[in-house]
Amino acid sequence: GQSLEQPSEVTAVEGAIVQINCTYQTSGFYGLSWYQQHDGGAPTFLSYNALDGLEETGRFSSFLSRSDSYGYLLLQELQMKDSASYFCAVVDAGNMLTFGGGTRLMVKP
Amino acid sequence: EAGVTQSPTHLIKTRGQQATLRCSPISGHTSVYWYQQALGLGLQFLLWYDEGEERNRGNFPPRFSGRQFPNYSSELNVNALELEDSALYLCASSLRQGVKMYEQYFGPGTRLTVT
Repeated sequence: GQSLEQPSEVTAVEGAIVQINCTYQTSGFYGLSWYQQHDGGAPTFLSYNALDGLEETGRFSSFLSRSDSYGYLLLQELQMKDSASYFCAVVDAGNMLTFGGGTRLMVKP
Repeated sequence: EAGVTQSPTHLIKTRGQQATLRCSPISGHTSVYWYQQALGLGLQFLLWYDEGEERNRGNFPPRFSGRQFPNYSSELNVNALELEDSALYLCASSLRQGVKMYEQYFGPGTRLTVT
């Protein structure tokens, strides 16, 4: 089976940098995705890492280390609108997405 | 381009009844996924359909079932509703099986309340 762990809550101030970690245990690992979900909204796709290293998309970056079964989402120049829940999700050999429990990010002024 | 749509937005049922939830994927997407999200929790995978076939199902009892129609829209049926079925049911779509399935587009969800 699959299991993912990520912190339940993170707080940071506007303009800062925050890192949301995700560790996983899975069979048939293909890659790690990240999704953002605002309260009352639908999850939206942020990034995908299939290979080790850092992928950058604007203020957001995602990192993967397959040997450590570990990844993180890095958010820079935090804005109030970044307050949301962030989910890591493992892609497995069965073409399935298994989601972590989510990290609630609160950005304070 | 229209996004994933779901209906109804809210659904209130009593224990023991049946619920039917509907989803229309983004045009050109053939894969449809259903997830259950209990209040404040993560997404639990329910079902995956592609090209009209059920490709996989999550760890849910058989009273959760569904189907995909020739136009790729999908229906989720929940029979013999229980109180713990109260949750947000999210539908997502992606390109066909094996193609960028890690990039799923979600609908706004159906909030099911069982009383």
